[in-house]
Amino acid sequence: SQQGEEDPQALSIQEGENATMNCSYKTSINNLQWYRQNSGRGLVHLILIRSNEREKHSGRLRVTLDTSKKSSSLLITASRAADTASYFCATDASNAGNMLTFGGGTRLMVKP
Amino acid sequence: DGGITQSPKYLFRKEGQNVTLSCEQNLNHDAMYWYRQDPGQGLRLIYYSQIVNDFQKGDIAEGYSVSREKKESFPLTVTSAQKNPTAFYLCASSIQGTNQPQHFGDGTRLSIL
Repeated sequence: SQQGEEDPQALSIQEGENATMNCSYKTSINNLQWYRQNSGRGLVHLILIRSNEREKHSGRLRVTLDTSKKSSSLLITASRAADTASYFCATDASNAGNMLTFGGGTRLMVKP
Repeated sequence: DGGITQSPKYLFRKEGQNVTLSCEQNLNHDAMYWYRQDPGQGLRLIYYSQIVNDFQKGDIAEGYSVSREKKESFPLTVTSAQKNPTAFYLCASSIQGTNQPQHFGDGTRLSIL
């Protein structure tokens, strides 16, 4: 079963616009991570936010976490055509640590 | 450069055949993972290993087997018992413990002949 569910499933925007993707999950977590996947490639880690953190930034990326609502959002500002990819949230809710459960992903297309 | 290497990139399986997917890492990570990804879907965990000579089943282990004889290597065998093996297989590794990102290889695409 998938813990995280991304919304929307697909998003198409113009270059320069902001893109917001949301992730909801079901159980208490240690952390939530966002990954990016270009077509036919492996996943690349973007940001990890711990359960006691509310917001993190990395370059043009901003991630928020609301544990009371069991939700997270990923904001990509000033998008570029090279940001076109699938974006996945993954939650670690394990006792052993670092066992991730992935959502179904958001497919982002940035038009030049 | 450090990283994870998966081979082959494409693999074809005949009926009743076992095939083995290779995953090698030089990141000195203790933990390694195998995931399956179906078209347009997220990743599902097949097996994971937190230390050499030990591994655990994930959510969809039936029809798969693994070994972890060396820290650097975590091969996955797709057996003939896996009736729907066509998928994209991803290997990952991480430092052991909580709050660690996973590092992924570029995957192996397995198809049935």
